[in-house]
Amino acid sequence: ETGVTQTPRHLVMGMTNKKSLKCEQHLGHNAMYWYKQSAKKPLELMFVYSLEERVENNSVPSRFSPECPNSSHLFLHLHTLQPEDSALYLCASSQEVLAPYNEQFFGPGTRLTVL
Amino acid sequence: GNSVTQMEGPVTLSEEAFLTINCTYTATGYPSLFWYVQYPGEGLQLLLKATKADDKGSNKGFEATYRKETTSFHLEKGSVQVSDSAVYFCALSEAGGFKTIFGAGTRLFVKA
Repeated sequence: ETGVTQTPRHLVMGMTNKKSLKCEQHLGHNAMYWYKQSAKKPLELMFVYSLEERVENNSVPSRFSPECPNSSHLFLHLHTLQPEDSALYLCASSQEVLAPYNEQFFGPGTRLTVL
Repeated sequence: GNSVTQMEGPVTLSEEAFLTINCTYTATGYPSLFWYVQYPGEGLQLLLKATKADDKGSNKGFEATYRKETTSFHLEKGSVQVSDSAVYFCALSEAGGFKTIFGAGTRLFVKA
């Protein structure tokens, strides 16, 4: 595998389910990110990790819980989601977290539908 | 706060037409500027970047010049192809900061 991979690519879940999104980067980067992409809205930064330490939590509801066990893996744990949480969830990584070295490499995304 | 404004789409062009997608920004200091592209069903890919005033980023026939005096970073291509159909995002990252702020995206359709 190369670049940034995300699994699953598609997920349908009920409001009472618990599921997790997984992201893995094969680039040797130190920073990882979760974004939410909704139709007709700008890309929303959710979480930023640098060397497994969270450096940004952008007022995200607690029903989204990130986990970064090492610099190559990032998870997003989901529970009791709402229909408005349906979106494309993108993971990204960068060499470092600080500009100008934070050009980001994105995974293909997980298309989440909450019923 | 920092922000990025780009022209609303969709932009529809015929093959071999000239492309301009406008992008202006508001930021303190000297941000790094980026253009990302998202093809259908994929994540974003970095298209080009510029890290200081008057720098020109270029890739795959696309160009953009960092204009500090007009706080702009317009994307241009001399002759578009059908394969350029995608959504284009302008973005900035503040010097020494860790947040990248994205514009709303501009969808480009290129007709054969």
